[in-house]
Amino acid sequence: DGGITQSPKYLFRKEGQNVTLSCEQNLNHDAMYWYRQDPGQGLRLIYYSQIVNDFQKGDIAEGYSVSREKKESFPLTVTSAQKNPTAFYLCASSIGWGNTGELFFGEGSRLTVL
Amino acid sequence: QKEVEQNSGPLSVPEGAIASLNCTYSDRVSQSFFWYRQYSGKSPELIMSIYSNGDKEDGRFTAQLNKASQYVSLLIRDSQPSDSATYLCAVKLVRQGAQKLVFGQGTRLTINP
Repeated sequence: DGGITQSPKYLFRKEGQNVTLSCEQNLNHDAMYWYRQDPGQGLRLIYYSQIVNDFQKGDIAEGYSVSREKKESFPLTVTSAQKNPTAFYLCASSIGWGNTGELFFGEGSRLTVL
Repeated sequence: QKEVEQNSGPLSVPEGAIASLNCTYSDRVSQSFFWYRQYSGKSPELIMSIYSNGDKEDGRFTAQLNKASQYVSLLIRDSQPSDSATYLCAVKLVRQGAQKLVFGQGTRLTINP
């Protein structure tokens, strides 16, 4: 089955630690996205990538980093510079430039800072 | 002004009634609009997309788009308790040669049996 796989589903981090969230897709989509969701809030864009080896900052990129070395993979690192990292993180993909813009989401990763 | 705005609710509707969810957006050149449903603790799932002015119906769901007023809405007919969820409005924007979806804050809908 085609889809987006995020791991881990739940993650606990101590303050000062970097953590990496995995996102893999087998939909052959060109574009991939990372969103953050806080309780009772909508989704805010962290980073996005339209093509391999290229990515752009979204609205709340500070304290996060990404890479896009393969079409299928778009990992997100939450660094110690992110002051309030506890949130629900969602990875998504879309076909690519010129398409309607529909996003397909993974199941999400819930990060809690202890 | 936020790029996409929704009334956060909560919106409470009796079972069997029509639920009406509204969304406004700021970018006049936006062409693609989406409604996602999100159950608590789950990821969003697409329920409707609309690209041209007017109504688009799919089962119990109807999306309405008015580009002149920069307004998009979602109607849910014969509301069921399983429709209780948060509904996210999303608009496709093109910025600096790249496209992205911007989401509203979501409207929490509760259907009362």
